[in-house]
Amino acid sequence: AQRVTQPEKLLSVFKGAPVELKCNYSYSGSPELFWYVQYSRQRLQLLLRHISRESIKGFTADLNKGETSFHLKKPFAQEEDSAMYYCARLILTGGGNKLTFGTGTQLKVEL
Amino acid sequence: ETGVTQSPTHLIKTRGQQVTLRCSSQSGHNTVSWYQQALGQGPQFIFQYYREEENGRGNFPPRFSGLQFPNYSSELNVNALELDDSALYLCASSWDGTDYGYTFGSGTRLTVV
Repeated sequence: AQRVTQPEKLLSVFKGAPVELKCNYSYSGSPELFWYVQYSRQRLQLLLRHISRESIKGFTADLNKGETSFHLKKPFAQEEDSAMYYCARLILTGGGNKLTFGTGTQLKVEL
Repeated sequence: ETGVTQSPTHLIKTRGQQVTLRCSSQSGHNTVSWYQQALGQGPQFIFQYYREEENGRGNFPPRFSGLQFPNYSSELNVNALELDDSALYLCASSWDGTDYGYTFGSGTRLTVV
């Protein structure tokens, strides 16, 4: 089965400190990977996708095929970054596609 | 442009009953996917509908079924509810099933007692 693993349920950092949210995937071909974020009382929303190589809200994520990882990083955490973060992989099935999510990491940025 | 709308927001049902959850897709989107999110877990794929046809299914029993209508809105039906069906049910829409930019609804919180 193609899995996405987020080893940390909770990550607590101080404001201004670097953030790294870990994500590993089971190897299979060329993965399509994403980070989704859910702020308190808001819906799940796309943060970034690896094919875009973009930086959103200061976050970046690099695909490392050798380590099968897609860690989410930000150099300086802000209070508004506190949220639930999900790593997800797009799986192409015979009839369509689906997102496989990790269990999520709760990021708490403390003052 | 409207987003994805789900109804109802909360629902309490008794074990053995049936439930229907509804989803209106984002304007311009023709593909709808349903996910189940149990407490403390990531969303789990239930199935996807594309142009009114089921287009992929996750590891859920047949008592989970769905429909997509010509206006691309969708329903998720669950028969013979079990206590473990208690979860947040999320609907996500996209264009043509290949647009990786899924737009999620706020979800329906189902509690089975």
